Amino acid sequence: QITLKESGPTLVKPTQTLTLTCTFSGFSLITSGVGVGWIRQPPGEALEWLALVYWDDDERYYPSLRNRLTITKDTSKNQVVLTMTNMDPVDTATYYCAHTSAKYKYAFDIWGQGTMVTVSS
Amino acid sequence: DIQMTQSPSSLSASVGDRVTITCRASQPIDRNLNWYQQKPGKAPNLLIYAASSLQSGVPLRFSGSGSGTDFTLTINSLQPEDFATYYCQQSYTTPRTFGQGTKVEIK
Repeated sequence: QITLKESGPTLVKPTQTLTLTCTFSGFSLITSGVGVGWIRQPPGEALEWLALVYWDDDERYYPSLRNRLTITKDTSKNQVVLTMTNMDPVDTATYYCAHTSAKYKYAFDIWGQGTMVTVSS
Repeated sequence: DIQMTQSPSSLSASVGDRVTITCRASQPIDRNLNWYQQKPGKAPNLLIYAASSLQSGVPLRFSGSGSGTDFTLTINSLQPEDFATYYCQQSYTTPRTFGQGTKVEIK
């Protein structure tokens, strides 16, 4: 059974760096065709894809946020970490991590519960 | 970026109705289109992947169709638990863009 869980601060100040950790089980990020993505959702708004990391270390980012985002994987800890620099109140959102794989044509088949991050001074 | 446009943005329907939601991509994406259901305060749940493949455990009243730029999610005989927001998402390329969502409300 695949599970993912996000962890990190619930409140950050403007200009600070956000670090979120996705801890997963039930799969390995060294298995061919597997990836983990981050998606966010501001309150009352739509889903917004942020970044992806694949089993082969391929990293993909939302272009307009590329200079603020870094995604890394630690296969020994079964974790994927997302950092976002220079946080702003508009970055207030629920942040989700999700599993993706070639088996499901790279849809996000399993999601974490999400973690709400508020950006405020 | 590939833009995903859903219609309608919201709809009201009754239990037992047949509901259709459409999603249009700004450029062809073959059949790399996925549908998710999201209930308030919950993470999205994958319903359909690759345009028409039903995810395991999803009721058969949900179906998807389309290819290229135009896609449809159909819910046959709407049930009380189906009142939610539905999102399409393309997995043809990155960035993996989502539609703006369609909220299905009780009439």
